[in-house]
Amino acid sequence: DIQLTQSPSSLSASVGDRVTITCRASQDISNSLAWYQQEPGKAPKLLLYAASNLESGVPRRFSGSGSGADYSLTISSLQPEDFTTYFCQQYFTTPYTFGPGTPVDIK
Amino acid sequence: QGQIVQSGAEVKKPGASVKVSCKASGYRFSNYAMHWVRQAPGQRPEWMGWITAGGDNTKISQKFQGRVTFSRDISASTVHMELRSLRSEDTAVYFCARETPGAFDMWGQGTMVTVSS
Repeated sequence: DIQLTQSPSSLSASVGDRVTITCRASQDISNSLAWYQQEPGKAPKLLLYAASNLESGVPRRFSGSGSGADYSLTISSLQPEDFTTYFCQQYFTTPYTFGPGTPVDIK
Repeated sequence: QGQIVQSGAEVKKPGASVKVSCKASGYRFSNYAMHWVRQAPGQRPEWMGWITAGGDNTKISQKFQGRVTFSRDISASTVHMELRSLRSEDTAVYFCARETPGAFDMWGQGTMVTVSS
């Protein structure tokens, strides 16, 4: 199975900050990576797919990059509604796997 | 746009089975594969498997093989997941999600399954 790790494991930031979360896979996943945002008690929400493609309706302050086994999610200017948890997910091969999540809270 | 609505919370005893349903609306149901993902409290999501758009094939994570069945009723725009031989470690929120492809762009609201004696 492909293992995903995320860093940092948690993040404290302020409104307006630029933040970056990284996701590392245990092997090359050829950009088959998605990022989700999940609020407590709700389903994950797709933000980006194919590493850097913004899902329809997602604000442009979210962006993704990376290649091979290393990927990142950047939020250019944190808004109050962004303080929640972010997961990466690989769909290069089954079983699809998720990262452990990075909670973003208010500093 | 569409939405997916899941069946309600379940409480089961160890060894029992549970069936969770998802009803889709607002999009062409037969065009999309559907996946099942579960999430134990405080844990990362865990992929369980998927069923093809036509319902003629399934792929189940090795972890759940022999214990889970996916089915699809195209006429009712509904998918079902049955998990058997429940144990306490199966306590989680179970989600169905539409594939787009690879990533999951539409999710049900989740169904809490609690396994307790």
